[in-house]
Amino acid sequence: DIQMTQSPSSLSASVGDRVTITCRASQDIRNELDWYQQKPGKAPKRLILLASNLQSGVPSRFGGSGSGTEFTLTISSLRPEDFANYYCLQHRAFPLTFGGGTQVDIK
Amino acid sequence: EVQLVESGGGQVKPGGSLRLSCAASGFSFGSYDMNWVRQAPGKGLEWVSFISSSSRYIYYADSVKGRFTISRENAKNSLYLEMKTVRAEDTALYYCARDFSSIDDYWGQGTLVIVSS
Repeated sequence: DIQMTQSPSSLSASVGDRVTITCRASQDIRNELDWYQQKPGKAPKRLILLASNLQSGVPSRFGGSGSGTEFTLTISSLRPEDFANYYCLQHRAFPLTFGGGTQVDIK
Repeated sequence: EVQLVESGGGQVKPGGSLRLSCAASGFSFGSYDMNWVRQAPGKGLEWVSFISSSSRYIYYADSVKGRFTISRENAKNSLYLEMKTVRAEDTALYYCARDFSSIDDYWGQGTLVIVSS
């Protein structure tokens, strides 16, 4: 099974900060990784598909990069509505696996 | 408008059974693979099961293999998850989600399953 190691598990940041979250896969998953944002009481919402493609309707301050085993989600300038939980998901192989999540809260 | 509406959750005793449903509308259900994903209270997301559009391919997480069965009825635009021999650790909000390989992203709002005596 492919393990997804996400870091950090939590971070505190201020509005306007640049934030970076990383997912590492235990084996090569090419670019078959998506990033999701989840707010309390809501279903997850995809931000990035296939490692670096912005989901339609998602603000351009969100960006994704990486391939193979190392992936990064970057928020270029944090806004108040970005305080949430973030997850990566690999869909290269079954069983599909999510990263453990990153909670982004207000410093 | 695409909608996925889960139902069937509730409280069940350990060792019991429950059947979850996901009613799809607003798209050609029979053309899309589907997934179940769950989230235990205060925890992260866990993928549970996948079924291809024709039901030819089915996969499960190790944690539910042999106890849960995914199925679909394309004529009824419905996805199901039959849960048997449930355990306390199956307590979670269960989401149905459309094909993760699709360019669009659709999830239901979830149905809560509580396993407790």
